[in-house]
Amino acid sequence: GDSVTQMEGPVTLSEEAFLTINCTYTATGYPSLFWYVQYPGEGLQLLLKATKADDKGSNKGFEATYRKETTSFHLEKGSVQVSDSAVYFCALSRNTGTASKLTFGTGTRLQVTL
Amino acid sequence: ETGVTQSPTHLIKTRGQQVTLRCSSQSGHNTVSWYQQALGQGPQFIFQYYREEENGRGNFPPRFSGLQFPNYSSELNVNALELDDSALYLCASSPEGANVLTFGAGSRLTVL
Repeated sequence: GDSVTQMEGPVTLSEEAFLTINCTYTATGYPSLFWYVQYPGEGLQLLLKATKADDKGSNKGFEATYRKETTSFHLEKGSVQVSDSAVYFCALSRNTGTASKLTFGTGTRLQVTL
Repeated sequence: ETGVTQSPTHLIKTRGQQVTLRCSSQSGHNTVSWYQQALGQGPQFIFQYYREEENGRGNFPPRFSGLQFPNYSSELNVNALELDDSALYLCASSPEGANVLTFGAGSRLTVL
């Protein structure tokens, strides 16, 4: 079945450091890939997505490229801020008719310090 | 435009009881999905509702059931609660056929 594997956290960085959170997936066919972010006490917010191989999703300085050859979708940001502290979830989706189910990784907690 | 709203935000039940969680979908969204997020884990797909019918189900027992109403709002019902049902329950809505979900803030259930 489908699965998503993320690097374990927590990841602790100083402000303005470079961020990479690794994500690899297992799925048949061509899933869509997503990064969601969860701030403390809140639900999940879509951060970025990519729907086909070599697509790059980007938002708020975050980027991720859909690499089918390595089945990866690593999240990167050039300079993190304290406000980026949150839990980041990698996910994939395969549509079957009108049903759309997301399969999530276990999440990576990011803590950014001054 | 209003987002996805869930109620209650927190509740405590005892083992064996039943619980109903409610969700109002975002305006214009006719598909509702429910996810269970245990502490420290990623959300797990429970089921999805479209046009008031269950339209996809994850690996959850039948004591997890749901409803969708004509206004696209939804309920998640869990019978015979077990300690392992303690989790954050997330509702998400989407337009028909879309794979981008809008999540609510969740209902945190504690089973004692």
